Amino acid sequence: AQSVAQPEDQVNVAEGNPLTVKCTYSVSGNPYLFWYVQYPNRGLQFLLKYITGDNLVKGSYGFEAEFNKSQTSFHLKKPSALVSDSALYFCAVRDIGTNAGKSTFGDGTTLTVKP
Amino acid sequence: SAVISQKPSRDICQRGTSLTIQCQVDSQVTMMFWYRQQPGQSLTLIATANQGSEATYESGFVIDKFPISRPNLTFSTLTVSNMSPEDSSIYLCSASPGGSYNEQFFGPGTRLTVL
Repeated sequence: AQSVAQPEDQVNVAEGNPLTVKCTYSVSGNPYLFWYVQYPNRGLQFLLKYITGDNLVKGSYGFEAEFNKSQTSFHLKKPSALVSDSALYFCAVRDIGTNAGKSTFGDGTTLTVKP
Repeated sequence: SAVISQKPSRDICQRGTSLTIQCQVDSQVTMMFWYRQQPGQSLTLIATANQGSEATYESGFVIDKFPISRPNLTFSTLTVSNMSPEDSSIYLCSASPGGSYNEQFFGPGTRLTVL
């Protein structure tokens, strides 16, 4: 079975500081990893993904994530946080081989960026 | 990418009644997904809907309670039947135009309140 863990319910950072939102995963096959963001009263939006290739992937709004196979992690990062980055962030994994393309989502991390 | 619309955006319903939620995708997709989300919490997959076949339901969800239609490659409906207050939630429709290896796109959600 596949699973995703987001160990922090809440992350607080000051505007201009770097941010990290953590994610670890467990899959039986090759991991297809995704980050999504949900702004208040909005649907989920895709941020970035790791399918194969470079371990550092870049996505929307200046976000990036680093795939680490040995640590089974896929942490979301941004060098300089903005107040507008405040939102709920979900890590997700798709295991194509055994799970018919279904995604498993983490519990979510609420990011608050203070001015 | 894909643009997904849902109707209605919100509704308040009486116990024992049924509500049908419509989901429209602006491109043809093989798989569509229906999720339930409590505000601020993670997503729970209800079922996967493939065109031309019966929907596949997750553990804890049954067809009699959540019948799904998928008449073509751009449209699906989810019915919440014989509603109780426990069905109050946000219902999200999702699809992956790029296939099982790629990101999902989500509708804006239907906020359902059952009195």
